[in-house]
Amino acid sequence: AQSVAQPEDQVNVAEGNPLTVKCTYSVSGNPYLFWYVQYPNRGLQFLLKYITGDNLVKGSYGFEAEFNKSQTSFHLKKPSALVSDSALYFCAVKTPGNTPLVFGKGTRLSVIA
Amino acid sequence: DTAVSQTPKYLVTQMGNDKSIKCEQNLGHDTMYWYKQDSKKFLKIMFSYNNKELIINETVPNRFSPKSPDKAHLNLHINSLELGDSAVYFCASSQGIAGRGYEQYFGPGTRLTVT
Repeated sequence: AQSVAQPEDQVNVAEGNPLTVKCTYSVSGNPYLFWYVQYPNRGLQFLLKYITGDNLVKGSYGFEAEFNKSQTSFHLKKPSALVSDSALYFCAVKTPGNTPLVFGKGTRLSVIA
Repeated sequence: DTAVSQTPKYLVTQMGNDKSIKCEQNLGHDTMYWYKQDSKKFLKIMFSYNNKELIINETVPNRFSPKSPDKAHLNLHINSLELGDSAVYFCASSQGIAGRGYEQYFGPGTRLTVT
């Protein structure tokens, strides 16, 4: 069975500093990996995904993530955090075929001015 | 606006009642989903439909019955509501065949409160 771990419930970072939100996964086979963001009282918004190819993927709002197969990780990064980046971030994984998208428990990012 | 929309946004009802939540997407997507987000923000798939056919049913009680009248709509009917059904329910859609790794687009959610 596939699973996702987001080891940090909360990440605090100062505005302008780089940020990292961690994600590790467990699947049988090749993973499709996703990051989503949820602002208060809103639905999830897609940020970026890794399907195949270049291990470094770039997404919306200046976010990027690096697929590391040996460490089974897909950490989300941004070089310079904004206060408006404060939100709940979800990592998710699925495998090819009619399999469900499995979400991590979410990491709350707080960017302090 | 192109989007995934849900109605109602809020739903407050008593135990034992039957209620429905409607979802529509105008993105031209082939696959639609229902998710449940509990009070701890944990998000779990309930159902997935591809071209009006059920393809994922994640051990959801049979009090929950999805209905897809066409590719653009996926409704969720819940019978005999229980306190534990209180949650935020999200509809989502994605392009093409579900297995191809397409990203999903989420609706704004329906907050269901059962008293």
